[in-house]
Amino acid sequence: EAEVAQSPRYKITEKSQAVAFWCDPISGHATLYWYRQILGQGPELLVQFQDESVVDDSQLPKDRFSAERLKGVDSTLKIQPAELGDSAMYLCASSIQQGTPLTDTQYFGPGTRLTVL
Amino acid sequence: QKEVEQDPGPLSVPEGAIVSLNCTYSNSAFQYFMWYRQYSRKGPELLMYTYSSGNKEDGRFTAQVDKSSKYISLFIRDSQPSDSATYLCAMSAGDDKIIFGKGTRLHILP
Repeated sequence: EAEVAQSPRYKITEKSQAVAFWCDPISGHATLYWYRQILGQGPELLVQFQDESVVDDSQLPKDRFSAERLKGVDSTLKIQPAELGDSAMYLCASSIQQGTPLTDTQYFGPGTRLTVL
Repeated sequence: QKEVEQDPGPLSVPEGAIVSLNCTYSNSAFQYFMWYRQYSRKGPELLMYTYSSGNKEDGRFTAQVDKSSKYISLFIRDSQPSDSATYLCAMSAGDDKIIFGKGTRLHILP
C-alpha cells in the first residue's frame, strides 16, 4: 500500500539552528499539505501545495519558515532559526487533488518529531 | 471559543465495553465530519467520514452527526486493546480545509 514518506522521523536541535524536513507524497497525488501538531493538540495546517504552487500559506510564520515543492513531487519544510516554541510533530499529508474531504482523502505520513533545546 | 471542541481525556475503559467519543463545533458551515485515529508516534489515519447529518456504521464503529446540536459522536463496540489510540474529530465546510479537534486519548484495559 502506498504511503507518504517523511524524514527524519526525529530531530533534536538547539534554538537558533536551521532544520529541514522532507516529504515524499503518494505517487500521483497533486496536493501536498504540511501540518504542525503540538503535543496534546490537533494538527494545524501550515502550507498547502497544488503541484508546485502554494495555494495557502496563511498560517505559515514566514519570517522563519519556508516550504518548497520545486518539481511538484517531494517537498521540503525549513525552519531558520528554530525557536523553543517550534517543538512539535510536523506532519505531511497528500491527496489526489484539491476537493472535498470525501472525494480527496488526505493521507498522512508518520511525521517528524522536532525538539528544540 | 475554538471552532471544534474535544475532551482530551484520557478515557480508560475495560475491554469489550462500548466507547463513546464526542466533539462539539461552532461553525454551522461544516458539512463534512471525520474521525481520525492516531497511534503513538504515527500520523493520523482516516477512520470514518460522514456528510451532513445522520449515522454511518462500519464494523464495530458508528459515527453520528447531529447538526442541529452541532454535536458529533463516534461509538466503538466490543472495544479491543488495539483500539487504544488518540481519536481526532475533524470537520470541513466543503473545501479541503480540515479543522481538527485536540484529540481524545483512549486506553482499552485488557
